[in-house]
Amino acid sequence: GAVVSQHPSWVICKSGTSVKIECRSLDFQATTMFWYRQFPKQSLMLMATSNEGSKATYEQGVEKDKFLINHASLTLSTLTVTSAHPEDSSFYICSAREEGLRGYTFGSGTRLTVV
Amino acid sequence: QKEVEQDPGPLSVPEGAIVSLNCTYSNSAFQYFMWYRQYSRKGPELLMYTYSSGNKEDGRFTAQVDKSSKYISLFIRDSQPSDSATYLCAMSWGETSYDKVIFGPGTSLSVIP
Repeated sequence: GAVVSQHPSWVICKSGTSVKIECRSLDFQATTMFWYRQFPKQSLMLMATSNEGSKATYEQGVEKDKFLINHASLTLSTLTVTSAHPEDSSFYICSAREEGLRGYTFGSGTRLTVV
Repeated sequence: QKEVEQDPGPLSVPEGAIVSLNCTYSNSAFQYFMWYRQYSRKGPELLMYTYSSGNKEDGRFTAQVDKSSKYISLFIRDSQPSDSATYLCAMSWGETSYDKVIFGPGTSLSVIP
């Protein structure tokens, strides 16, 4: 089945620094990947849709200059949290869908803590 | 009104019980309905996937969709402690790789041995 690998699984950074999270589709090509954010005991909130070779589409209320998304190849999308603040601390998860398969496959998530 | 609503629980049941999880939604354009299971600090994993109205069974799990009522359910028979997790309903308009998926808030389930 489709496998999505996400790295790092956890990261701690200082306020004001930037953090990059990688999402890779290991055994299929993903022209579209999705980035979600999840606060403790809350649901997944879609942040943006990452499109290979073009600009990402951001959901309302998500700052595109703060959450930079790059989908440079058919197997890799990156989310960079720029100038991180403690309120950016959250669980970030990516997902992708292999054409022809039902449902979406999720990465294992990245727990970001900004101190 | 939120697009997808789900009782957050927590729901606590004894081992062996039948569990019923439910979601309601407001957008009649949703066609594909999913249930995901998420363990703590892990990404969600797909449990069930159904199209339009009807029932689907897979082992101890049964998914039901009633589009006329905008209501979906997941039943778990003979619940096990390993079923303890958060269950998220999800739905989408299409089946392509670029169709967005909208999630419910999730129901936290604990199965007590």
